Amino acid sequence: EAQVTQNPRYLITVTGKKLTVTCSQNMNHEYMSWYRQDPGLGLRQIYYSMNVEVTDKGDVPEGYKVSRKEKRNFPLILESPSPNQTSLYFCASWIRQGPLNEQFFGPGTRLTVL
Amino acid sequence: KQEVTQIPAALSVPEGENLVLNCSFTDSAIYNLQWFRQDPGKGLTSLLLIQSSQREQTSGRLNASLDKSSGRSTLYIAASQPGDSATYLCAVIGNTNAGKSTFGDGTTLTVKP
Repeated sequence: EAQVTQNPRYLITVTGKKLTVTCSQNMNHEYMSWYRQDPGLGLRQIYYSMNVEVTDKGDVPEGYKVSRKEKRNFPLILESPSPNQTSLYFCASWIRQGPLNEQFFGPGTRLTVL
Repeated sequence: KQEVTQIPAALSVPEGENLVLNCSFTDSAIYNLQWFRQDPGKGLTSLLLIQSSQREQTSGRLNASLDKSSGRSTLYIAASQPGDSATYLCAVIGNTNAGKSTFGDGTTLTVKP
């Protein structure tokens, strides 16, 4: 089954404790992206990747890091989480060519930073 | 910088009514536009994808149109049902920057029985 998976689905942590949220897709998509969603603010793009070892900043990259060492994985790293990073996070992937270039989304990760 | 606006922010209609949700974008150089549905606290469900070269797409009671020159897309829902109650989001992917995706803030729809 074609899918984007994220782990963990729920995470409660404390300020300053480094964490990683994993994202994996099994569709061989070149593009992957991380978003955060906050009440009343829609989804905002954090980082995106156009292929292995190629990443770029989205609209709200501060406080986050990403890496793309393998095509299928795109982890989101919070080196020193702060309470303002409490949010619902989504990972997505897509292809550029062909008619099926829609974004596929993971189920989301709800992060609370105390 | 691409900006995407969805109006209205909230909409309440009686069951059975036909309705239109609006999505406007400031940069017409888009690669595609996608409509999503999101239930409270849940993930995103893709509804329709429109390529930049297309004018409309249909799926069941849903019809999405795209007018790139005016920077607008509409999502038409026919014969609305209480189960259609959700937040509807539109997203555009840029043509020049292939990885850049911008979402609107969404329209929250309530269909009353």
